[in-house]
Amino acid sequence: GAVVSQHPSRVICKSGTSVKIECRSLDFQATTMFWYRQFPKQSLMLMATSNEGSKATYEQGVEKDKFLINHASLTLSTLTVTSAHPEDSSFYICSAPTGGIAFFGQGTRLTVV
Amino acid sequence: AQSVTQLGSHVSVSEGALVLLRCNYSSSVPPYLFWYVQYPNQGLQLLLKYTSAATLVKGINGFEAEFKKSETSFHLTKPSAHMSDAAEYFCAVSARAGNTPLVFGKGTRLSVIA
Repeated sequence: GAVVSQHPSRVICKSGTSVKIECRSLDFQATTMFWYRQFPKQSLMLMATSNEGSKATYEQGVEKDKFLINHASLTLSTLTVTSAHPEDSSFYICSAPTGGIAFFGQGTRLTVV
Repeated sequence: AQSVTQLGSHVSVSEGALVLLRCNYSSSVPPYLFWYVQYPNQGLQLLLKYTSAATLVKGINGFEAEFKKSETSFHLTKPSAHMSDAAEYFCAVSARAGNTPLVFGKGTRLSVIA
C-alpha cells in the first residue's frame, strides 16, 4: 500500500516553544491531508483538513493560530504547534487519502514540559 | 452527520478463540466503512474496507467484516485469535471513499490470552 511518513515520532519541548511536525506522502500525491489528535486511550479526533495551495480548514474548537498548518506541496503537509503548553501534549497523526483509502503516518508523541 | 459506536472498550479472548469486535454506525448517506488496527505508539493500519460492493469483506491477517444495513452494523471477526492480534482496533465511517475525513469510534482494545 501507499506510504505516509510522519516525523518526528517523538518530541519533548519546553512550554512556550514551537514544534513542527511533518507529514509526507512518499509514493503518491495528496492534495488533501488530515491531521488528527489522539488523547490517551481515546479515539482520533479530526483537527483540520490540509489543502495543497490553500488555507487549511479547522474543526470547531481547534485554534488555528495555535495549530498552524501548511501544505506547500503535493507531498508535504506540516503542523506547527505554536507556544506549546502542557495541555497540548498528545499523540498527533496525519493521514493522506489515495485510491479511496486513508493512509496514516506513524504518529508523533508530543510532550510539553 | 455520521457517527460510530464500538461496543466494548476492551475485549479479551484466549489464543485460538473467535474474535468479535462490534461496530454500529449512523450515517445520513450510504456509508463507507473501515476497520483499522493500531499498535502502541504507532499509526493506523487498514485492515479492511466496505465501499458498497460485497457485504462480506475480507481483510488482512485473517480478519473479515460483514456489512448489515438493516442492523447498521459492521462487526469485525477472526476465527482464531493469535497473540500478535493484541492491539487497539478502530471502526471508522466516511461519506465517501476519497478526500473526506474519517469519523472514528472510540476503539476496542483486544487482549489475547495464551
